[in-house]
Amino acid sequence: NAGVTQTPKFRILKIGQSMTLQCAQDMNHNYMYWYRQDPGMGLKLIYYSVGAGITDKGEVPNGYNVSRSTTEDFPLRLELAAPSQTSVYFCASSPWTGDGANVLTFGAGSRLTVL
Amino acid sequence: RKEVEQDPGPFNVPEGATVAFNCTYSNSASQSFFWYRQDCRKEPKLLMSVYSSGNEDGRFTAQLNRASQYISLLIRDSKLSDSATYLCVVNMNRDDKIIFGKGTRLHILP
Repeated sequence: NAGVTQTPKFRILKIGQSMTLQCAQDMNHNYMYWYRQDPGMGLKLIYYSVGAGITDKGEVPNGYNVSRSTTEDFPLRLELAAPSQTSVYFCASSPWTGDGANVLTFGAGSRLTVL
Repeated sequence: RKEVEQDPGPFNVPEGATVAFNCTYSNSASQSFFWYRQDCRKEPKLLMSVYSSGNEDGRFTAQLNRASQYISLLIRDSKLSDSATYLCVVNMNRDDKIIFGKGTRLHILP
């Protein structure tokens, strides 16, 4: 099993450019999450999805968009990249357990620099 | 008040010592709690879930105090390999929003 796959691993963007970070999981998990982690900080939730066709804002959604057209894929789009979006982005997924005991499986991360 | 708050780090602890981390959460309706471990420049990985009755996994003990909205992690007989950042994680449950604390960095000194 590949688990959670994120692409690209590294990317440098210019201010104002747009890009999409890809995330795919092959575990048939209902829930998927996007986090960002700034240096020396914890993870901040950007967006999450509890199933195909459903997305919700997290703690820091501004400047990002997501879609969930399939169970497997949860791309994160950055429109008009800004230096403040320089960060490491982690995608994660978890199965539905019914009791909230969702254990997250993470991708390896995508390191984005905006110059 | 932040949704999940942790002890500030770093903790510099000699090998073999016992170290404890604390975490508080703001939403009293939260039902699920976890400790994750993150090594430098790597993705977080589950260390252990935290159950109401408290639970132990080898040298690691996690406890939950719902009345005080407080979670703890105790590491006994610490090893050099325990050096990492420990993240307190709470599932807000009302909508399965999973929130991380800032993390506490632990350095085990030889």
